[in-house]
Amino acid sequence: DSGVTQTPKHLITATGQRVTLRCSPRSGDLSVYWYQQSLDQGLQFLIQYYNGEERAKGNILERFSAQQFPDLHSELNLSSLELGDSALYFCASRTDANTGELFFGEGSRLTVL
Amino acid sequence: GQSLEQPSEVTAVEGAIVQINCTYQTSGFYGLSWYQQHDGGAPTFLSYNALDGLEETGRFSSFLSRSDSYGYLLLQELQMKDSASYFCAVRGGGPGRGSTLGRLYFGRGTQLTVWP
Repeated sequence: DSGVTQTPKHLITATGQRVTLRCSPRSGDLSVYWYQQSLDQGLQFLIQYYNGEERAKGNILERFSAQQFPDLHSELNLSSLELGDSALYFCASRTDANTGELFFGEGSRLTVL
Repeated sequence: GQSLEQPSEVTAVEGAIVQINCTYQTSGFYGLSWYQQHDGGAPTFLSYNALDGLEETGRFSSFLSRSDSYGYLLLQELQMKDSASYFCAVRGGGPGRGSTLGRLYFGRGTQLTVWP
């Protein structure tokens, strides 16, 4: 158990819909990362927050947005969903800024039909 | 451009040694990490190299050569439970905007299958 909590674990929805994925980082971690993993693909970096502020942004679609709240939990909003958005969405948090160690949650598996 | 190259598949038998190579070309570089992922589960951290040389952690070792933009993960005394995907990830690399200090840019992964 990494200490990072993600909900929901599974989500099935239709094209054109909007969903929200939630993440709670490890206790004491200020950074939250979101990654997307499609079938047989690596982990694509979407966005990073640090203590409520956006710190870095990857190739995140304009239909996707995220935020980190004062209690440090984060939400990833996916709108106007397309079939190609079906993927595993991972949240991760980081304790030490000077290492390459991220702690990943179990992921939210999104299926768009 | 930005790229991370690692073999897509590797197979070996129990008790053997296997090496998974990773070459990278990124605009930024602070270090190279390795992660293990079992069948759609959460990726778990294995090792991190910021400086050249070998880091050993039990049966797993990781090597980095910054001048060659190359690293590898060495798995010894393979066990069935080591069957998983292994990802290299560059800290500081990858496309995007903003701070690169904490960002990890992942390769596509190597599927390791260990046979009895």
